Amino acid sequence: QVQLVQSGSELKKPGASVIVSCKASGYTFNKYDMNWVRQAPGQGLEWMGWINAKTGNPTYVQGFRGRFVFSLDTSVSTAYLQISSLKAEDTAVYYCATHIGVPQDFDSWGQGTLVTVSS
Amino acid sequence: EIVLTQSPATLSLSLGERATLSCRASQSVGSYLAWFQQKPGQTPRLLIYDASNRAPGIPARFSGSGSGTDFTLSISSLEPEDSAVYYCQQRLNWRTFGQGTKLEIK
Repeated sequence: QVQLVQSGSELKKPGASVIVSCKASGYTFNKYDMNWVRQAPGQGLEWMGWINAKTGNPTYVQGFRGRFVFSLDTSVSTAYLQISSLKAEDTAVYYCATHIGVPQDFDSWGQGTLVTVSS
Repeated sequence: EIVLTQSPATLSLSLGERATLSCRASQSVGSYLAWFQQKPGQTPRLLIYDASNRAPGIPARFSGSGSGTDFTLSISSLEPEDSAVYYCQQRLNWRTFGQGTKLEIK
């Protein structure tokens, strides 16, 4: 079955960088784009953008351009989210999500990765 | 940016009652609207896609309707496990989520 397994929680200091991984299994990795969604503590869902799984071309929502980088390693069916120059307001759960069984809507989600930024 | 406004913010109903959740878009999104359920500490789950299609494995008591700017998620007979936050999301123009409706079961 389709699985997206994300890396574990991270505690980082302001100014540091973090990489969140999302390992996919159960489907052809380069057939379905990977999206990233942020959820700050006690808040709603915020779509960050997506990466084309065939070309590796990322697209970022305004507000996630500059310090956020999406990438892929198709050899290990893994997507990555790198956040640099971390700020306290980056503290959130980050989800990877894709659409496998239904057209273009997120029916498959990773379990989420909590990134905490604190001095 | 297309803004989705959900109402009410919180809904408190009893077991067996019918729940009606609303999502209004700032401009037409056609039928490109989905509904998600998120229970505390859990990953969001897709309930409805393209406004009215139930995702695989979703119970028949969940239904979606609407098109253009006004959409509704209905839950016909509430069960204890329906207590959650429900989000709508459009995908016509990039993607945006509504702010969520918290459904409490009394």
